[in-house]
This record gives sequence, structure tokens and C-alpha cells, in this order.
Amino acid sequence: QVLLQQSGPGLVKPSQTLSLSCAVSGDSVSTDSSAWNWIRQSPSRGLEWLGRTFYQSKWIHQYALSVKSRITINADTSKNEFSLQLNSVTPEDSAVYYCVRGLSWHLGWYFDLWGRGTLVTVSS
Amino acid sequence: QSVLTQPPSVSGAPGQRVTISCTGSSSNIGTPLDVHWYQQVPGTAPRLLIFGNTNRPSGIPDRFSGSKSGTSASLGITGLQVEDEADYYCQTYDSSLSGYVFGTGTKVTVL
Repeated sequence: QVLLQQSGPGLVKPSQTLSLSCAVSGDSVSTDSSAWNWIRQSPSRGLEWLGRTFYQSKWIHQYALSVKSRITINADTSKNEFSLQLNSVTPEDSAVYYCVRGLSWHLGWYFDLWGRGTLVTVSS
Repeated sequence: QSVLTQPPSVSGAPGQRVTISCTGSSSNIGTPLDVHWYQQVPGTAPRLLIFGNTNRPSGIPDRFSGSKSGTSASLGITGLQVEDEADYYCQTYDSSLSGYVFGTGTKVTVL
């Protein structure tokens, strides 16, 4: 059974960095059949894909245009986990953040396994 | 603001059939890329319901079905049950945005 266990603070001050981690059990972050995503959800923006990392001969990182200048997603193979860093946050970044496994299917990828979510509030 | 549009709500009596539409454009659903569907009970994470336009993961009842045509996709629920009350989202890839996109979401109410 594959599980995703999220961790990180629920409160971040404006202009600071949001940092979350996602520990993976039952799968390997370095497998070439999975991608490791961060998706957030807020009442104002709905479900929003932020980015992903995956390994195909080398590590590949892809980010949503809306956050591309502020985001970093990395994998740590020694801990079998992946992480999200979002810089210069504002109250607009307040949301529930999910770590999510993506699987490739014919044409495209889908999200088959979701973490429980972390409510992050950006406030001073 | 999502590029995939869904009706805000649909409702039906137990046992009835409901359909949820997902309307996109030539840069997302109108491409050969697949559409996927998720179910979200309030307070929980989304759950994969349909992948690759029409396929159900193990454990998803065959009351749920998906289809895609042109720049739209649909999710059908037959034999509506009380436990089907939830929010439903479509998802695909958008080539103009170079990223994955979700629909606006539809709340299903069982009358």
C-alpha cells in the first residue's frame, strides 16, 4: 500500500518561504513510472496544480507558469520524500496543499494518490 | 480561474442518473490528451474516479462512467446513491499553459 505523509507548518508570515515535505512509503520517488506533484486548493482559485518532479534518466522539474518564479520542488532519494518550497508568499497563497502521485497513461498523466492535505495560512 | 468549465451543481433523486459536463478548448480537452475525473467529499482529499477518459480504478463502481468528445467531456452517475453526494472535478493538460488544469467543480446533491 502506497502512502503519502505530509509535514510542515500551517502558518507562514507574508514574504517568507512556505516549506512542506511529503514522505513516500510503498513506492520509490526515483521510479520512472511515477511523478511527484504538489497541488493546492482554495475557495478563490479552486484546485491548482503547482508543479512536479520525476526521474527519467535524470531529474526533471516542471512548474505552473503562475508560480514558476517562486517555486522549487525537489526529491530526496535518501529519505524517499519530496518537498515544496514557495518563496515570497502572500495571503493569496493561503490554501490546502496536497502532495500527489502522478501516473502516466497513454496520453497524459493522472493523479492517483493524494496526501491528506496541509492547511497553510499566510498571515502576520 | 479555471480553463475547464463545469456546472456549479447538479441534483437527482436516489436511483436516477445525472451527468456532469466539462467544457474546455482546443488547447486542452480538444487535444488528443486524456481527461480524468475526481470525487471529493468535503473535508477530505480528492479521489481518482475515472482515468484515461473512460477507465475506472479498482474499487470504483461501474455506476460511474466517463466520455470525451470534441472540446468537452462528461461524467455520468447512474443509480444515484446518497454516498455519491460530493464535489466532482475534471482534469487534463493544457498546452497553452504548459501545465495540468482542473475544472471548476460540480456539487452533486442527492434529493
